[in-house]
Amino acid sequence: NAGVMQNPRHLVRRRGQEARLRCSPMKGHSHVYWYRQLPEEGLKFMVYLQKENIIDESGMPKERFSAEFPKEGPSILRIQQVVRGDSAAYFCASSPQDRANNSPLHFGNGTRLTVT
Amino acid sequence: GDSVTQMEGPVTLSEEAFLTINCTYTATGYPSLFWYVQYPGEGLQLLLKATKADDKGSNKGFEATYRKETTSFHLEKGSVQVSDSAVYFCALHGSSNTGKLIFGQGTTLQVKP
Repeated sequence: NAGVMQNPRHLVRRRGQEARLRCSPMKGHSHVYWYRQLPEEGLKFMVYLQKENIIDESGMPKERFSAEFPKEGPSILRIQQVVRGDSAAYFCASSPQDRANNSPLHFGNGTRLTVT
Repeated sequence: GDSVTQMEGPVTLSEEAFLTINCTYTATGYPSLFWYVQYPGEGLQLLLKATKADDKGSNKGFEATYRKETTSFHLEKGSVQVSDSAVYFCALHGSSNTGKLIFGQGTTLQVKP
């Protein structure tokens, strides 16, 4: 039973380019969360999606960042016109259902984005 | 809003020493509390959790007790091993129904042989 799969593991982009980060949730999971970990900091919530719906994007920067979770395929976090401050580890987590029952989140190994 | 504060690291211990990593929280209502562990180059793994006051979560020798009166969820282990070296994150699941977790900044633990 494969866990949460993120790719690529490492991504290098020049300033101004676009970054696309992919996340395939665990089998049977329909809820996806994206978090960002800046150097020497904790994880900051970015966005929560269910299939074809954005439920909570309160942690997403207003510009350049977008996320989707289509009916078929992985969830995508897209960063347009990257800047050096976007360099971070981006983690995806999934859960099987509404977490009102406190089911744990399952995390992927992250994508480490470096902007040069 | 909801928040989590952890003691700053790094925490450096010798093997078999006693470990405490402090965690306090601010939240409305009755949050659920979690400890996650992150080994180098990996994602976060759930270590233990507690969902109501006075609950004790435990796993792999680690323990934490949900203390509502002090709004704390300190992580403890009686005898650490080199393999416990990792970053530990305290987190809460608050009153929002979106399921998102609020994390502390993480505490790095280094255990020396």
